[in-house]
Amino acid sequence: NAGVTQTPKFQVLKTGQSMTLQCAQDMNHEYMSWYRQDPGMGLRLIHYSVGAGITDQGEVPNGYNVSRSTTEDFPLRLLSAAPSQTSVYFCASRDFGQGYTDTQYFGPGTRLTVL
Amino acid sequence: GDSVTQMEGPVTLSEEAFLTINCTYTATGYPSLFWYVQYPGEGLQLLLKATKADDKGSNKGFEATYRKETTSFHLEKGSVQVSDSAVYFCASVSGGYNKLIFGAGTRLAVHP
Repeated sequence: NAGVTQTPKFQVLKTGQSMTLQCAQDMNHEYMSWYRQDPGMGLRLIHYSVGAGITDQGEVPNGYNVSRSTTEDFPLRLLSAAPSQTSVYFCASRDFGQGYTDTQYFGPGTRLTVL
Repeated sequence: GDSVTQMEGPVTLSEEAFLTINCTYTATGYPSLFWYVQYPGEGLQLLLKATKADDKGSNKGFEATYRKETTSFHLEKGSVQVSDSAVYFCASVSGGYNKLIFGAGTRLAVHP
């Protein structure tokens, strides 16, 4: 298994540009989520999905869109990038088998800089 | 709301020293507690977890005990190695699907 994969690893955008961060998992996990990591603030939940066709907002959803057309993929879209979105983005997935005690598996991250 | 507080870093130790990283939580219910580790340039990996009071999670020589009376889940290791240098995150989850709450992270640097 490749686990959770993310592309790209690094990205530089100009203010106002749009882009999509890709996330895929091959573990057949129902639950997937996106976090951003900022210095001194830990990880904060952006959006999550409990299955194909179902998404919901997390703690910091503004400026981001998501969709979940397949179990494997959960892309994160920035429609109009802002400097405040400079961060490291992590995608994660887990199974629902044992409820919220399950382990989340994280991707390697995407480091995004918005100029 | 729920929250997790960790001791600020960085923590700098010599090899074979004893490690403690403090973590306390606030939650309305009885959360499950986790320690994740992030090695340089990588994503987060689960280090250990505990799902109820007095449980002890352990892995790779690290231990943490779920203390309900002090709402704590401190991470300990008796003898650290250079390879333990990383950022450590305490986290809690309770209730619904999305309520994984992270602390700010503590950077550990171990020198030979």
